[in-house]
Amino acid sequence: EIVLTQSPGTLSLSPGERATLSCRASQSVSSSYLAWYQQKPGQAPRLLIYGASSRATGIPDRFSGSGSGTDFTLTISRLEPEDFAVYYCQHYATSPYTFGQGTKLEIK
Amino acid sequence: QVQLQESGPGLVKPSETLSLTCTVSGGSTSSYFWSWIRQPPGEGLEWIGYIYYTGSTTYNPSLESRVTISIDASKNQFSLMLSSVTAADTAMYYCARRSWGRYSLDSWGQGTLVTVSS
Repeated sequence: EIVLTQSPGTLSLSPGERATLSCRASQSVSSSYLAWYQQKPGQAPRLLIYGASSRATGIPDRFSGSGSGTDFTLTISRLEPEDFAVYYCQHYATSPYTFGQGTKLEIK
Repeated sequence: QVQLQESGPGLVKPSETLSLTCTVSGGSTSSYFWSWIRQPPGEGLEWIGYIYYTGSTTYNPSLESRVTISIDASKNQFSLMLSSVTAADTAMYYCARRSWGRYSLDSWGQGTLVTVSS
């Protein structure tokens, strides 16, 4: 089973700042198979990034994804108030298609 | 725009079988992978399994002995059955869609909370 480890567990930033979230895989994952989701309290997750770097429909361009192999990054260039949420990465390399444990992005 | 809606009992007794249905509207079940994911209260996401519209399934090995996912294309629905439940199966259960060639879940239901308790 591929384990995805996200860091940091909690990130405290202010609106307007840049956020960098990490997702590290226990073995190499094709970039095609890495996705990022955003989840706000009481809501279902929402797809942000697929294929490590492609934005899903309707996702603002302040969200970007990068990485390859075992190290992937989600970057939010300038935080808006609505961006404070929990972020998860997920892989589709081999079953089970596990999620990372999440990074909580909170307002400083 | 496709919409997904979970339905089923919110309370299940220990040792019994949890049964949920996801109804797809605004689109067809054809040519997609249909997944179930769960999230215990205050915890992260766990992928349960998926069914392709042809009926082919893949399950999380940790749950495989207790899980069955089925599809009824005529009703635009797919279902989850989880047997021999315990309190550890208490969670929000989500259904979601994956498109062919895209390895991600692009549409989600709002989720339904299932509590296992006597």
